[in-house]
Amino acid sequence: GEDVEQSLFLSVREGDSSVINCTYTDSSSTYLYWYKQEPGAGLQLLTYIFSNMDMKQDQRLTVLLNKKDKHLSLRIADTQTGDSAIYFCAEVSNTGKLIFGQGTTLQVKP
Amino acid sequence: DGGITQSPKYLFRKEGQNVTLSCEQNLNHDAMYWYRQDPGQGLRLIYYSQIVNDFQKGDIAEGYSVSREKKESFPLTVTSAQKNPTAFYLCASGVAAPGEDTQYFGPGTRLTVL
Repeated sequence: GEDVEQSLFLSVREGDSSVINCTYTDSSSTYLYWYKQEPGAGLQLLTYIFSNMDMKQDQRLTVLLNKKDKHLSLRIADTQTGDSAIYFCAEVSNTGKLIFGQGTTLQVKP
Repeated sequence: DGGITQSPKYLFRKEGQNVTLSCEQNLNHDAMYWYRQDPGQGLRLIYYSQIVNDFQKGDIAEGYSVSREKKESFPLTVTSAQKNPTAFYLCASGVAAPGEDTQYFGPGTRLTVL
């Protein structure tokens, strides 16, 4: 069945790079997304990548897509305390619905 | 300002009462969605609507009902049949197109049933 998996927790020092990983199952996914959720808030769309791309960069964010391994990653350069949040990976399933991972909690230590 | 609003932010209800959560968008999106989020878990789809006057059940629709009488509005009713309604409820809207389902989320409503 459709499934998106993420590691649950990542802790980094302020100023370091963070890499959040995600694996998905639906090889027909055309769009893959990263969302950010701060405590008590809704989800904020961070970025997305189209399946014919290997990489997308947007300021401090870099998304890497390995279609062969069905692996998606989000790299945050120069991680700040304001980046502390839960990050969700999501894919568009073959039924057209978004399937979310369980979320990775990013803790940034000063 | 364009966006999605949900009200109220916090809601308390007694067990056995129905409660309706509001979701409004002015982004001119055709599709709207309701999700439930429990602590430490991802999002689970309750209901979605891709056009006015039409909606479909998601993965956990039991104990919930919706209506879509206007493009801008997609209220969710949590009925007394929902066994464990305390959760964080998120509404989203988007332009669902083939292969794409970019969704934009509201700020959420935290429902606590006492």
